[in-house]
Amino acid sequence: QQQVKQSPQSLIVQKGGIPIINCAYENTAFDYFPWYQQFPGKGPALLIAIRPDVSEKKEGRFTISFNKSAKQFSLHIMDSQPGDSATYFCAASNQAGTALIFGKGTTLSVSS
Amino acid sequence: DGGITQSPKYLFRKEGQNVTLSCEQNLNHDAMYWYRQDPGQGLRLIYYSQIVNDFQKGDIAEGYSVSREKKESFPLTVTSAQKNPTAFYLCASSYAGGITGELFFGEGSRLTVL
Repeated sequence: QQQVKQSPQSLIVQKGGIPIINCAYENTAFDYFPWYQQFPGKGPALLIAIRPDVSEKKEGRFTISFNKSAKQFSLHIMDSQPGDSATYFCAASNQAGTALIFGKGTTLSVSS
Repeated sequence: DGGITQSPKYLFRKEGQNVTLSCEQNLNHDAMYWYRQDPGQGLRLIYYSQIVNDFQKGDIAEGYSVSREKKESFPLTVTSAQKNPTAFYLCASSYAGGITGELFFGEGSRLTVL
């Protein structure tokens, strides 16, 4: 119930493509769903986050789509660039829970 | 500049030795966390602390210990009881009651057991 399942494990797209990373959860008490971006040798940094009262959130080229009934959320990267090559983690948490529960990560490679 | 400082960045340890990883933050955050990162495993929670002198076990606390004597500091000790200690360790912090808020991460400490 506490897991967040992330797919795919790795993804390769060409510059300008739209990679999509998917996450699914079971715990209906989760109410906060962030995405973190991590470059090699660095700590993760918050990219974008969503709460269940909205179905979509955009920040620049990054969009989260949220489907509460299906308990799924996804990250879309528009017009992807080589600089977007990184590992992306979805996560979830709830008010009464512990810290963030992370997915296993997706390694994205954007070729030029 | 405000942030989280982890040290050392790289650490080598012989089997049977305890090591302590340092984590200091100057963001005035109440909550601090330790995560372990292994390839293909994501980030797994070791310990977290919401206030000084209090901390809770995460999913993989066995073989680790922490202390929270100061708001700014949350050191992690990897004991000899930890069976597979080679990993990348990440410290993070967040605002009070920030269990659902943004986590700010340090740059990590890579521990290798020889």
